[in-house]
Parts: sequence; C-alpha cells; structure tokens
Amino acid sequence: LAKTTQPISMDSYEGQEVNITCSHNNIATNDYITWYQQFPSQGPRFIIQGYKTKVTNEVASLFIPADRKSSTLSLPRVSLSDTAVYYCLVAQKGSGAGSYQLTFGKGTKLSVIP
Amino acid sequence: GAGVSQSPSNKVTEKGKDVELRCDPISGHTALYWYRQRLGQGLEFLIYFQGNSAPDKSGLPSDRFSAERTGESVSTLTIQRTQQEDSAVYLCASSLIRGGNTEAFFGQGTRLTVV
Repeated sequence: LAKTTQPISMDSYEGQEVNITCSHNNIATNDYITWYQQFPSQGPRFIIQGYKTKVTNEVASLFIPADRKSSTLSLPRVSLSDTAVYYCLVAQKGSGAGSYQLTFGKGTKLSVIP
Repeated sequence: GAGVSQSPSNKVTEKGKDVELRCDPISGHTALYWYRQRLGQGLEFLIYFQGNSAPDKSGLPSDRFSAERTGESVSTLTIQRTQQEDSAVYLCASSLIRGGNTEAFFGQGTRLTVV
C-alpha cells in the first residue's frame, strides 16, 4: 500500500492561505491523490482529487509535481470553519474494474485562529 | 435516501456480547467501505466491497470481525465476543465504481462502547 506522510498539525490565522504538503514516495502509475476533510463527530468529506499537475475546485487547489511523489493541498483565505483534520490519501486501483481502495493516514489537524 | 445511513448511531454493549452494525449506502453505489476510528485517531481500514468482485478483507483485525453485503445494497459489520478495545466509531462509506473516481460518501458512524 502507498504510504502517505503529512504534518501532524498546523496553525493559521483567518484569511491566510494554507498549504498542506503530503509525501507519497511509492505511488503507483494508476493511483490517484485524494484529500478529505473531517470535522469532529462527523464522517470525512471529499475535498479534491488529482492525478498530475494542478486541479482546482470551489473549495481548494491541489498541486502535484511531475514525479507525483508529493502533493500540496491549498486552501485560500481560511476561516474558523475550516478548522478540521485533513487527510491525504493515495487511492489505489482495486481488483474490481473502476474501483479504488482508500487508505487513510493520520491526517493533519488544522487550527484556524481568529 | 440522500446519503449513507448507519444504524444504530450509538451502541453500548457488554464485553463478550456480539454486535451488528448496519450500513445503507447511497442507491446505485457499488463500492462500500468500512472503517474504524478510535478516539483522536485516524481512520483504520477494515473491509471494502467492490461491486461483484471479491471483497478486500485485509483490514479486519481478527476473526471476531466479519462483514456481509447483500448485492449492491445493505452491509452489516458483525463483531463477535466484543472486547473493550473494540470501542470506537465505525464508519461506512460508499462510492460509484468508475474510472478515476475516488469520491466516497461517509455516514455519520456508529459509536460503539464496550463496557
């Protein structure tokens, strides 16, 4: 299984851009990089996924260098409500056609300070 | 339903008893995942049903744990002879199986307390 490494915690002030970097040195050709957000007492929620280069949606951007051994989740202008745990996953191709195994690491606890 | 539904939301059981946790995935989602999350910890993979393929049971921690899925619908996670270390939130997620899709939708979880 592809192992991911990310910081245990980060602090940021409101309004700042936050970048969380994840390393995944043994990512395989068919694997996708995916990020989830989890608030206390809730299940995780999908944020963004990517394969290479840059992906942007209404919530975040994901930057993936050419070697794909790391990725950076970028949250623009964070607010207090962005305080959560952020998980970087390498989604590995399962044996079933089109299926992906999702293995979560320990995540990064982001605390947004007023 | 609109989302993944898990029941019960809370379960308190005595050590040594068996428990069954239920997951109703989003209709049409052919992939279904079970995870365990201990207090303050990350998600621990348990089992993964992937359409008509054989389930990936590699995360089940012992033979006291088992899971079944009826076709592409309801799944039940069973823990036999519960132990105190089984106390955790058990999360279920479902997703569509299609190329390049890694978006899974999670339920609210079942909080299991073994006393």
